[in-house]
Amino acid sequence: EDQVTQSPEALRLQEGESSSLNCSYTVSGLRGLFWYRQDPGKGPEFLFTLYSAGEEKEKERLKATLTKKESFLHITAPKPEDSATYLCAVNPGRRALTFGSGTRLQVQP
Amino acid sequence: EAQVTQNPRYLITVTGKKLTVTCSQNMNHEYMSWYRQDPGLGLRQIYYSMNVEVTDKGDVPEGYKVSRKEKRNFPLILESPSPNQTSLYFCASSLGGGRFTDTQYFGPGTRLTVL
Repeated sequence: EDQVTQSPEALRLQEGESSSLNCSYTVSGLRGLFWYRQDPGKGPEFLFTLYSAGEEKEKERLKATLTKKESFLHITAPKPEDSATYLCAVNPGRRALTFGSGTRLQVQP
Repeated sequence: EAQVTQNPRYLITVTGKKLTVTCSQNMNHEYMSWYRQDPGLGLRQIYYSMNVEVTDKGDVPEGYKVSRKEKRNFPLILESPSPNQTSLYFCASSLGGGRFTDTQYFGPGTRLTVL
């Protein structure tokens, strides 16, 4: 059974304190790993797609990396506006994404 | 502006009263999908559509219906809503064309409460 596990469930950082969010996955055949940001009461906002182990993508203070078993979302020198829930999803070759439960990130000034 | 829109954004109804949540996209996407989001369970797919007149069940289809008569619209129908369908619903779309790897773009969500 396809499974996506995100850790930690919640993370509180001070502004400027870099950290990483983890997404572990078990799928029969990965066709893509997606990171989304979700603000309270809003729809998930697309951040990155990674397709193969070793791939990395960056956007402002965020950097996503992918191995054969997990993905990391690195947040460098975060700001309060980076506070949100970050969702990881995998495409196991079906017509649906399998989502993790998310990591709630709070960045305090 | 490229977007997925949903209406209504908030809805409170009673058990058994049929309702429809509309979804529309202006990106000429072939693939559209409905998800529900519940605390601790994440986002789960209800139904999806690869193109006009082509729909199929997702992981949690019971109690829902969909139709895809036009490329841009993909309404979600609850014929007889029950309290366990109280949830946050999201519509999503992607280019499709058989490419499962396409990025899905989400609407703003519809918060449904069934009393």
